[in-house]
Amino acid sequence: DQQVKQNSPSLSVQEGRISILNCDYTNSMFDYFLWYKKYPAEGPTFLISISSIKDKNEDGRFTVFLNKSAKHLSLHIVPSQPGDSAVYFCAASAGTGGFKTIFGAGTRLFVKA
Amino acid sequence: DAMVIQNPRYQVTQFGKPVTLSCSQTLNHNVMYWYQQKSSQAPKLLFHYYDKDFNNEADTPDNFQSRRPNTSFCFLDIRSPGLGDAAMYLCATSRDLMASGTNEQFFGPGTRLTVL
Repeated sequence: DQQVKQNSPSLSVQEGRISILNCDYTNSMFDYFLWYKKYPAEGPTFLISISSIKDKNEDGRFTVFLNKSAKHLSLHIVPSQPGDSAVYFCAASAGTGGFKTIFGAGTRLFVKA
Repeated sequence: DAMVIQNPRYQVTQFGKPVTLSCSQTLNHNVMYWYQQKSSQAPKLLFHYYDKDFNNEADTPDNFQSRRPNTSFCFLDIRSPGLGDAAMYLCATSRDLMASGTNEQFFGPGTRLTVL
């Protein structure tokens, strides 16, 4: 029962172009969404988040969009840089669920120079 | 730097031989988590501690236990490892949800467990 799905295992983008990573969820109780970035041999690190009361959150080159009706969120990276090459995890939690966070399986992003 | 440390980074054990993985944090966070991540899969929460309050996920096998002797340390005990328990084990921490308004988690680098 995958409540958070990242359907693209990998994505390849040219340096300077936009990277769009997608995530779908099934649980309508989720009210907080996060993106984590993971380099090899390191643990995931928090990148950006969005509350369900918003539909967009921006932090520098990173923007997360939330479409609650479609139960879909996306992470946009503009412009993409080679250092952005990593695995990106989408995660979701429900306030009523306490501290439990459900992760997607991740999308590996390759940014080509 | 404040951080989450996991030791060892790589652990090899034999089928059925108990093994303990350790995690420590210098962030002074209330909450500590253990996740299991198998290749190309999502990290799966096994359990978490809110201070000394232990919260087990319903589908976590009894084979997995945890201890948190103090705020800084948390251990994952696998009593009788099977071949299916080979995975990356990630420890994470977070601040009190009400205080921080977010459940951003801080992860250690993980321990890769191999079961022979």
